[in-house]
Amino acid sequence: AQKVTQAQTEISVVEKEDVTLDCVYETRDTTYYLFWYKQPPSGELVFLIRRNSFDEQNEISGRYSWNFQKSTSSFNFTITASQVVDSAVYFCALSEAKYSGGGADGLTFGKGTHLIIQP
Amino acid sequence: NAGVTQTPKFQVLKTGQSMTLQCAQDMNHEYMSWYRQDPGMGLRLIHYSVGAGITDQGEVPNGYNVSRSTTEDFPLRLLSAAPSQTSVYFCASSWGDTDTQYFGPGTRLTVL
Repeated sequence: AQKVTQAQTEISVVEKEDVTLDCVYETRDTTYYLFWYKQPPSGELVFLIRRNSFDEQNEISGRYSWNFQKSTSSFNFTITASQVVDSAVYFCALSEAKYSGGGADGLTFGKGTHLIIQP
Repeated sequence: NAGVTQTPKFQVLKTGQSMTLQCAQDMNHEYMSWYRQDPGMGLRLIHYSVGAGITDQGEVPNGYNVSRSTTEDFPLRLLSAAPSQTSVYFCASSWGDTDTQYFGPGTRLTVL
């Protein structure tokens, strides 16, 4: 069965520091997809990135970057020069291959990391 | 383009009452799903649908029913509410089950 572990329940840093959120996953499939979502204090879930298992290239989007390493089953998320607006709960999630009808398809979420950016 | 909408935003029920949480999307997505979010638990899949007329159970389906008569709508029914169903419920939609899922704003449900 698939599983996502976000070992850091809460991280607190001072504004402008860099911070990395860890995500470790387990799956028996060779084809799978990894996601990061942001949940600000207002409560909505905001999509950040989707990555498939065949693309190990790191990705950068502004101050955000993602490091995907299949060898360690990790998909870590780094925020550079953090800002107060980055304060939120961040979820890593995993989706395995196509619909099989066997139940439990969909996203498997980690428990989230609460990131606090202090001014 | 409203995306994924959910009603109501807040609801308080008494134990044993039934209700339906509404979810609609206007993106013509085939895949829709319901999750519940509990403190410290992340989000867990309740039910999902890969298209009109097709639904299946997720990780925590007990106490909930779904149906999918149209592509746009995917209501979640609580048959007999229990305090353990106090949670925030999110509906999501996507083109396929491994594509990016877009979430509605959520419904905060309290069962007394």
